[in-house]
Amino acid sequence: EPEVTQTPSHQVTQMGQEVILRCVPISNHLYFYWYRQILGQKVEFLVSFYNNEISEKSEIFDDQFSVERPDGSNFTLKIRSTKLEDSAMYFCASSVSRGTLYQETQYFGPGTRLLVL
Amino acid sequence: AQTVTQSQPEMSVQEAETVTLSCTYDTSESNYYLFWYKQPPSRQMILVIRQEAYKQQNATENRFSVNFQKAAKSFSLKISDSQLGDTAMYFCALKETSGSRLTFGEGTQLTVNP
Repeated sequence: EPEVTQTPSHQVTQMGQEVILRCVPISNHLYFYWYRQILGQKVEFLVSFYNNEISEKSEIFDDQFSVERPDGSNFTLKIRSTKLEDSAMYFCASSVSRGTLYQETQYFGPGTRLLVL
Repeated sequence: AQTVTQSQPEMSVQEAETVTLSCTYDTSESNYYLFWYKQPPSRQMILVIRQEAYKQQNATENRFSVNFQKAAKSFSLKISDSQLGDTAMYFCALKETSGSRLTFGEGTQLTVNP
């Protein structure tokens, strides 16, 4: 069964450093998403991406964040200058398209645990 | 703005028994989608069950079923014949058809005891 994959599974970085989190969505899916979950808190939406552009972003997704689909399979989240409060689990998700319950169901990857020191 | 509330931070159940997890939500839209996701200790988010607001019939997936009460904006999850592998954090989530984001509740930590 196709799955969303994410690399790395864990990343430790120093405050102020740039990090890139990578995701490979399910191959026939057209919509891609990033969510984050700070330890002990609810899962929060960051951004959605379709047709090589951002379709929706939350107030969390400020100028230090960016997303890109550099090739036909990868989807990346870049954090330009990490802060202590960026420490969280970051989930990538993908969905087929829009329009029906089946098409709009989002499937999640296993997450990248980011620790900023 | 849409909101999702799970009022039970923790629940426990004996193996083979039935448990119901509560979820209420708020949205101004008439059509939307509702989901339950499971997050075991590995922290992977796994889809459990899904429901479209226009469909009155409650969704069922094997031992998992929902009680969808649209007027009350309630979407509870029933797990029958609970198994040790059901131990996980369960998240209720809402997606409005006008947007692309999922809005999650706070989660309910379910422990299945042998």
